[in-house]
Amino acid sequence: DIQMTQSPSSLSASVGDRVTITCRASQTISSYLNWYQQKPGKAPNLLIYAASSLQSGVPSRFSGSGSGTDFTLTISSLQPEDFATYYCQQSYSTPLTFGGGTKVESK
Amino acid sequence: EVQLVESGGGLVKPGGSLRLSCAASGFTFSNAWMSWVRQAPGKGLEWVGRIKSKTDGGTTDYAAPVKGRLTISRDDSKTTLYLQMNSLKTEDTAVYYCTTDGLVVVPPACDYWGQGTLVTVSS
Repeated sequence: DIQMTQSPSSLSASVGDRVTITCRASQTISSYLNWYQQKPGKAPNLLIYAASSLQSGVPSRFSGSGSGTDFTLTISSLQPEDFATYYCQQSYSTPLTFGGGTKVESK
Repeated sequence: EVQLVESGGGLVKPGGSLRLSCAASGFTFSNAWMSWVRQAPGKGLEWVGRIKSKTDGGTTDYAAPVKGRLTISRDDSKTTLYLQMNSLKTEDTAVYYCTTDGLVVVPPACDYWGQGTLVTVSS
């Protein structure tokens, strides 16, 4: 199985900050990497698919990059509604696997 | 509008069984790949398994912890996805989400999610 490792597991940031979350795969997954946002008590929401493609309706301050084993989710200017937990997921091969999550908290 | 509505969750004893349903609407269900994802209380997301469309073979894949105990099926005439859960363990306690798998994005990702249903396995 492909293991997905996210870092950091949590971070504190302020509105307007640039935030970067990384995700590393235990083997190459090409660009089969997705990012999700989850707010407390809610279902996750797809933000980025295929490493860098923005899902419809997602604000352009979110961006994704990377290929192979190393990937990044960037929020260019953190907004109040962005405080949440973020997960990466590989869709290269089954079993599909998620990273452990990164909780973005208010500083 | 795509809608996924899970039902069937509840309290069950270890070793017991439960069947979850996911009623789908707003899209051509028979053409969709569908997945189940779960989240234990206070924990991260865990992919449970997936079923492809019948056009693509209707095959299923599962995560190792559930293989042989949990079974995904679909009834395209009722636009409903199922998760049959047998030999339940306390570690199966989680919110179970139904998702579409690549309905609007390629390559596939979990692009639409239901609200989830809670399964509690406890004596």
